[in-house]
Amino acid sequence: GESVGLHLPTLSVQEGDNSIINCAYSNSASDYFIWYKQESGKGPQFIIDIRSNMDKRQGQRVTVLLNKTVKHLSLQIAATQPGDSAVYFCAETANDYKLSFGAGTTVTVRA
Amino acid sequence: DTAVSQTPKYLVTQMGNDKSIKCEQNLGHDTMYWYKQDSKKFLKIMFSYNNKELIINETVPNRFSPKSPDKAHLNLHINSLELGDSAVYFCASSHPSGVSTDTQYFGPGTRLTVL
Repeated sequence: GESVGLHLPTLSVQEGDNSIINCAYSNSASDYFIWYKQESGKGPQFIIDIRSNMDKRQGQRVTVLLNKTVKHLSLQIAATQPGDSAVYFCAETANDYKLSFGAGTTVTVRA
Repeated sequence: DTAVSQTPKYLVTQMGNDKSIKCEQNLGHDTMYWYKQDSKKFLKIMFSYNNKELIINETVPNRFSPKSPDKAHLNLHINSLELGDSAVYFCASSHPSGVSTDTQYFGPGTRLTVL
């Protein structure tokens, strides 16, 4: 499943499929980007980050891609599991302590 | 061994009351934050303290007053509560490394309901 192009607030994905969540950011001065996962009733939890001198970073089952030319960030989740159901936020900062969050994408994993 | 903790988790109060939310982190971080998350899940920063000094103060009504007694604590006091203050408030902390802002770690949130 994929939220293509512009940000979509919801994404429904079949268990076992790959998920792609997209995020457009606005500040060209931003140099650090983070993806957070927020489960119901909990605080945002760090997933993966990337600095502006990179265009790809991989973690366990997750990959973040950064395209500074078009100010676009994506999070790829491999083999999506039921525990991946949550709201996912991208966040950006221009080295000034302020994290600006995107609107969030609610991911629902279908069994 | 909770990294960032907040109390209380739920707070229900009447309009016009004054209330406080407490935050503590045991990560050894020197920067702490308060965020507000509205009913549409939008997260917005309110305040940030670095080594007990205020470094970020977004456009927040002055009914909201943060207090940092030490680097490990950042409390939020709200006077004359209004209906629009109902939200989930998150505390976070980070340890800026060099000139780059490091990852922010969030507490579990305090759900404030103003009746």
